[in-house]
Amino acid sequence: DTEVTQTPKHLVMGMTNKKSLKCEQHMGHRAMYWYKQKAKKPPELMFVYSYEKLSINESVPSRFSPECPNSSLLNLHLHALQPEDSALYLCASSQLAGLYGYTFGSGTRLTVV
Amino acid sequence: AQKVTQAQTEISVVEKEDVTLDCVYETRDTTYYLFWYKQPPSGELVFLIRRNSFDEQNEISGRYSWNFQKSTSSFNFTITASQVVDSAVYFCALSLTNAGGTSYGKLTFGQGTILTVHP
Repeated sequence: DTEVTQTPKHLVMGMTNKKSLKCEQHMGHRAMYWYKQKAKKPPELMFVYSYEKLSINESVPSRFSPECPNSSLLNLHLHALQPEDSALYLCASSQLAGLYGYTFGSGTRLTVV
Repeated sequence: AQKVTQAQTEISVVEKEDVTLDCVYETRDTTYYLFWYKQPPSGELVFLIRRNSFDEQNEISGRYSWNFQKSTSSFNFTITASQVVDSAVYFCALSLTNAGGTSYGKLTFGQGTILTVHP
């Protein structure tokens, strides 16, 4: 299995809702990442997990809460989002050294209404 | 701080033309990785190539080729005999590493080049 699977593919949520994005990989990668991509822009790093521990938080607002329950699973919990948080959320994984590149999922297209 | 510049915002070609996507990077580190990714309309980022800073060999993979020139801090990507399926956004990216060669885990992307190949 050489894939990163993200669910759901599309999500519409209100500003008072709580929702979660899920990311799963079974390649044995010990680093997992969340990126945010606005339309016509490059992806921007949000969080990095190494060995299930948060190693990088790129000053992301607390309404985004990441969680890594095990080495294969990465969640992003969403609460009280704003319309400007609407974007494509990409999950990625890699060997810790990043020597063989980063494998990305197909993303969750989030719309906040 | 590191930076990746893709000066071409959009490129439009007709099928079977060759096309080169430019990428220029800036970093003070001597050890780093460079990447190219393809993003079709479906949204997934598809890995195309990785090159480390000590390997300046050019690479060819089918219709794709890459030219890495450390002297000019460039890592250009050429598609030979382009096809409609090559239409996508292409990103060049840079990842820094520590002295042990381990990636810090942060990819810095260029702004991307939108390639449209017309039949």
